[in-house]
Amino acid sequence: KAGVTQTPRYLIKTRGQQVTLSCSPISGHRSVSWYQQTPGQGLQFLFEYFSETQRNKGNFPGRFSGRQFSNSRSEMNVSTLELGDSALYLCASSLESSGGGETQYFGPGTRLLVL
Amino acid sequence: QKEVEQNSGPLSVPEGAIASLNCTYSDRVSQSFFWYRQYSGKSPELIMSIYSNGDKEDGRFTAQLNKASQYVSLLIRDSQPSDSATYLCAVKWRGSTLGRLYFGRGTQLTVWP
Repeated sequence: KAGVTQTPRYLIKTRGQQVTLSCSPISGHRSVSWYQQTPGQGLQFLFEYFSETQRNKGNFPGRFSGRQFSNSRSEMNVSTLELGDSALYLCASSLESSGGGETQYFGPGTRLLVL
Repeated sequence: QKEVEQNSGPLSVPEGAIASLNCTYSDRVSQSFFWYRQYSGKSPELIMSIYSNGDKEDGRFTAQLNKASQYVSLLIRDSQPSDSATYLCAVKWRGSTLGRLYFGRGTQLTVWP
């Protein structure tokens, strides 16, 4: 099976702009989670989508949003970019049946630099 | 407050030695535990998952889980320079946070020849 794919891999934006990142999960996986990774904060959970519904949300401002499509592909959007949004954005997918607990597999990430 | 803590690094071991990485977590209602390896500039890749108390071995890697003491560890036998990376411990809890992974800050491991 193909792994998790993320596009684009690299982005450079300026403050105030917005950005949309895309994630395609492993075939058959219905859950997609997004994480932000920075040297200072480590891996921070943004949100998780399951069957097109946001099931969990981390402690990020409303500028961070996401959605999931019927084919399980997901997008996240960051509006009004700030310098502190520079980070590696990781998408992870898992089967997440009703019992939960399954492994999450990470994509290669999108590295965002805000100038 | 759900927290995952890892022993502070960096950890440095010689080639061929055993590297021991430890992780503790704060809540007893835990479900599953994972160790990820992350090379510099790359994304995390799964090494091991463990769900039940005891040991789980996979090649040179052994994960140990003790739910009563709320810790999970990873042993790397016959360490190789290619094992040099940051190791992330992650925990999933039951209930309302279903689907969410909680990560420790990671332990940086260096294996020197």
